[in-house]
Amino acid sequence: AQSVTQLDSQVPVFEEAPVELRCNYSSSVSVYLFWYVQYPNQGLQLLLKYLSGSTLVKGINGFEAEFNKSQTSFHLRKPSVHISDTAEYFCAVTGGTSYDKVIFGPGTSLSVIP
Amino acid sequence: EAGVAQSPRYKIIEKRQSVAFWCNPISGHATLYWYQQILGQGPKLLIQFQNNGVVDDSQLPKDRFSAERLKGVDSTLKIQPAKLEDSAVYLCASSPWTGLGTGELFFGEGSRLTVL
Repeated sequence: AQSVTQLDSQVPVFEEAPVELRCNYSSSVSVYLFWYVQYPNQGLQLLLKYLSGSTLVKGINGFEAEFNKSQTSFHLRKPSVHISDTAEYFCAVTGGTSYDKVIFGPGTSLSVIP
Repeated sequence: EAGVAQSPRYKIIEKRQSVAFWCNPISGHATLYWYQQILGQGPKLLIQFQNNGVVDDSQLPKDRFSAERLKGVDSTLKIQPAKLEDSAVYLCASSPWTGLGTGELFFGEGSRLTVL
């Protein structure tokens, strides 16, 4: 069965500083990986996804993530954060068919400090 | 393009009462999901529909939760009777049928349930 671990439940960071949110997954099959963002009182929206090809994927709002198969990781990074990046970030994994469940991690709360 | 619509946005009930949530997915999206998000946790899948058939309901507490997707379009999630631990945000999501399982989900804003 697939699972997702997000080791950091809360990450405070100063504005304009870089940030990395960590995600590790476990799966016995090929996977697709995602990062979603949830702003207060809103649903989740897709930041970026890895399906195949280049292991470095770029998403919206200046975020990027790198897929590392040997370390089963998919860490999210941004070189310079803004106040507006304050939100909950969820890593998610799914398998290779439309019938596979999308499994979410517990989330990381990013707080950007002015 | 209209997004995923959910209602009501907020609902407060007492334990043992019943409640129903409605979801209208993005037009043309064959797959519909209901997730439960308890405060401080990630979304947990309750049920997944493909058109009007159930693909996965292994984590749906069937003694109190039920869901249907008549005609393969909108869906209703019902809780009867509610317990205190059902307090959560119920998220509906949809995705297009691509046959490739890309897994990208489009979420509604959620329905926040408080059980007193």
